[in-house]
Amino acid sequence: GENVEQHPSTLSVQEGDSAVIKCTYSDSASNYFPWYKQELGKGPQLIIDIRSNVGEKKDQRIAVTLNKTAKHFSLHITETQPEDSAVYFCAASKGSGGYQKVTFGTGTKLQVIP
Amino acid sequence: GAVVSQHPSWVICKSGTSVKIECRSLDFQATTMFWYRQFPKQSLMLMATSNEGSKATYEQGVEKDKFLINHASLTLSTLTVTSAHPEDSSFYICSAAQTGPYEQYFGPGTRLTVT
Repeated sequence: GENVEQHPSTLSVQEGDSAVIKCTYSDSASNYFPWYKQELGKGPQLIIDIRSNVGEKKDQRIAVTLNKTAKHFSLHITETQPEDSAVYFCAASKGSGGYQKVTFGTGTKLQVIP
Repeated sequence: GAVVSQHPSWVICKSGTSVKIECRSLDFQATTMFWYRQFPKQSLMLMATSNEGSKATYEQGVEKDKFLINHASLTLSTLTVTSAHPEDSSFYICSAAQTGPYEQYFGPGTRLTVT
């Protein structure tokens, strides 16, 4: 099955700096890579995603890059703010139609220091 | 759009009793719903996948008779933890997906504590 590794497990940055979280996946058939933000006691919230036919995607301060050859993808958050503090999960998925099993990474706890 | 709700948000029950958790897609029809379990400071572990009107597909190691899943309609799935024990205490999260798009939308989770 799919295996997703995520690094680092914890990350502290000063407010305004950038944060980068990296993930690798094992199954070359995976074709959808979402990123989730989870605040304490809440469910994960989709913040950005990328499909295998795209190399990079941006949404305001958040960007994701995908390298299919190396089977890794990264989340970039620029101009970090205290409200960005949360646990971030990368994930990989494959399939089509109504069934899309998602394999999650181990999570990165991001702390933005004011 | 794409809002998923869960009820209850937290529940405390006694050992040996059963607990039902509801997951609803509020503004879309979910052909597939997923149930996850999350331990403190850990990632999400997929328990089972359910398609409307079909039996759920359980992940390896998940007891079917203990975690009963029903997906009776395109907007509702339920997870029943039967004969709960303290080791079943956890954060249970559901998600819902539409046919075609890849996105899964997660509910806010249910904190189960078994005493």
